[in-house]
Amino acid sequence: DTGVSQNPRHKITKRGQNVTFRCDPISEHNRLYWYRQTLGQGPEFLTYFQNEAQLEKSRLLSDRFSAERPKGSFSTLEIQRTEQGDSAMYLCASSATGFGNTIYFGEGSWLTVV
Amino acid sequence: AQTVTQSQPEMSVQEAETVTLSCTYDTSESNYYLFWYKQPPSRQMILVIRQEAYKQQNATENRFSVNFQKAAKSFSLKISDSQLGDTAMYFCAFMKRSTGANSKLTFGKGITLSVRP
Repeated sequence: DTGVSQNPRHKITKRGQNVTFRCDPISEHNRLYWYRQTLGQGPEFLTYFQNEAQLEKSRLLSDRFSAERPKGSFSTLEIQRTEQGDSAMYLCASSATGFGNTIYFGEGSWLTVV
Repeated sequence: AQTVTQSQPEMSVQEAETVTLSCTYDTSESNYYLFWYKQPPSRQMILVIRQEAYKQQNATENRFSVNFQKAAKSFSLKISDSQLGDTAMYFCAFMKRSTGANSKLTFGKGITLSVRP
């Protein structure tokens, strides 16, 4: 069990560019989550996968954001035409199926849009 | 929708002392889970303790214990014998116990705890 892995850990990009983050969940975890966290705030839910199916998306996830989880393994979060307001840490998490199972978080991917 | 409120932005405690972090929540659900997560300066969020709302007994994990008051919708975390490694942001979080697919966490804004040597 190597934990939830995210990369890149840090990304600086110019406004208007596209960025993609990757998340490798704990193996055998069916559920995968993406959260966004800004400085001094708690994580905010973005989206959730059960295997390869994206079952819920937050209103925070504008049309510029897209997430995929092909084959129910790793996941990618792409942000198109980045804006300065997208600067945040993007957290990935995973859990096993079941009621109230512990959700394990990765170390996050910091995005800075300049 | 559920909301989680952590009204204390910062707290400080002397090493070896006890500190209590407060959390209140609002929900119309009767079955749910409550969590405290710790986020050290290295930034990875780790679970500290969890409480199942249908259990009256307060959860404990070594030096960490909770005071769960369901009627008051209050869920505080007590850290005994504080250690320097407890310095971190602490987040209170809520999860519905749902037969559906939704199992996401709703977080409070967090509290920064500093343990003084």
